[in-house]
Amino acid sequence: AQSVTQPDIHITVSEGASLELRCNYSYGATPYLFWYVQSPGQGLQLLLKYFSGDTLVQGIKGFEAEFKRSQSSFNLRKPSVHWSDAAEYFCAVGPMDTGRRALTFGSGTRLQVQP
Amino acid sequence: SQTIHQWPATLVQPVGSPLSLECTVEGTSNPNLYWYRQAAGRGLQLLFYSVGIGQISSEVPQNLSASRPQDRQFILSSKKLLLSDSGFYLCAWSGALQETQYFGPGTRLLVL
Repeated sequence: AQSVTQPDIHITVSEGASLELRCNYSYGATPYLFWYVQSPGQGLQLLLKYFSGDTLVQGIKGFEAEFKRSQSSFNLRKPSVHWSDAAEYFCAVGPMDTGRRALTFGSGTRLQVQP
Repeated sequence: SQTIHQWPATLVQPVGSPLSLECTVEGTSNPNLYWYRQAAGRGLQLLFYSVGIGQISSEVPQNLSASRPQDRQFILSSKKLLLSDSGFYLCAWSGALQETQYFGPGTRLLVL
């Protein structure tokens, strides 16, 4: 069965510092990979996605992620964190099969930004 | 552009009462539609998905049900709410041939 692991439940960084959020997946083939961000009480906003091609993907708000097949990872990075980046971040994998077309989400990483 | 709406934004209901949450999508046709639940401190759990009118697939056996009476309308229902139904309910849509899902603003449900 496919799964997504986000090993860090909670991360605190200082404003202006770099950020890396980890995501590992288990999937039988090359998956579609996503990162979403959720502010408190809000829905999920798509940051970026990887389907194929260049393994370094650029997203919105200055985020990027790198797909590493050998490590089954899709880590999210940002060179300089802003206070407004404080939120919860979810990595997701999909689709599980052509009929289902659904995503499997990790449990999320909550990011806190210190001034 | 496409937009997705969820109604209501917040709901407080007593145990045993019925439930109806609505999700509507604008600006697209024949979308795939999804209902997820997010319990406090946990990730997202897929509840139902639909690839067309009247076509509903259930992921988790429970006292919830879903219906799709129109192409761009997805409804989550219950006849009798349980305490464990409390949570944040998110609706999402994707294109029929696309894998990217876009989420609505969510409905926070508190069952007392």
